[in-house]
Amino acid sequence: DAGITQSPRHKVTETGTPVTLRCHQTENHRYMYWYRQDPGHGLRLIHYSYGVKDTDKGEVSDGYSVSRSKTEDFLLTLESATSSQTSVYFCAISESFSSGSNNEQFFGPGTRLTVL
Amino acid sequence: AQKITQTQPGMFVQEKEAVTLDCTYDTSDPSYGLFWYKQPSSGEMIFLIYQGSYDQQNATEGRYSLNFQKARKSANLVISASQLGDSAMYFCASGGLNTGFQKLVFGTGTRLLVSP
Repeated sequence: DAGITQSPRHKVTETGTPVTLRCHQTENHRYMYWYRQDPGHGLRLIHYSYGVKDTDKGEVSDGYSVSRSKTEDFLLTLESATSSQTSVYFCAISESFSSGSNNEQFFGPGTRLTVL
Repeated sequence: AQKITQTQPGMFVQEKEAVTLDCTYDTSDPSYGLFWYKQPSSGEMIFLIYQGSYDQQNATEGRYSLNFQKARKSANLVISASQLGDSAMYFCASGGLNTGFQKLVFGTGTRLLVSP
C-alpha cells in the first residue's frame, strides 16, 4: 500500500471555524491531490499540487485553500467552514500525470468532516 | 470537459460468476486515460486498472479486465469469478491530455453486491 496518511480521520466543527486537514506521504511522489466525496457526486477534485509550492485549482475549489511547503505534506484549509463542506475528504498521490504508466492516483484513508 | 456516466446504481452477482460494470465517457481530448477504482465499505479507494486511449490491447489485471470500445466511448469493467470480497462501490474515472490527467473526473459509482 502507498504510504499515505491523513489527519485527523474524523472531525466535527462548527460553522465559521477554520479547519486544516493534513495529508502526509512517504512515497516521494511529486503530485498530490485533495478530493471530496459526497453522495450522488462521486469524487470531485478540490485542489492539486505538482510540486513544492506549486498548486492549482480543481473542480470545486471555492472555500478551500491549500499549501505544500514540503514534498511529503499537503494541507487543505477551510478558512471558514460551512455546512455544505460536510463531506469525506480524500488525499491522493501520483508519480506522474501523463498518458503513460505510473499515472494512477493512490488514495489516503479519508477524513470525515462534519460542520454543524 | 470530461464526463463519466455510470448508469447502474446497483448490481447483483452470484459468487464465481462474471459481472460487467458499465462506464461511458465523453471527451474531446485526443489522448485520454480511463481508470477504475474500488471502494469497500471500509471507505478506502483502491486502484484497480488503467486503460490508455492509444493502448492497442484491453487492459487486464488478474480477475479484472477492461472492455474498451473506443467508438462507443465505453470502458466497462469485467470482473471474472466474483468473490464475496468484491462487494463494494466501483468508480470509473477519466483524465485527458488537454484537460489534464491530474484532473480526474469520476462517475457516481456502481454498488456491486456478491451473494454466496
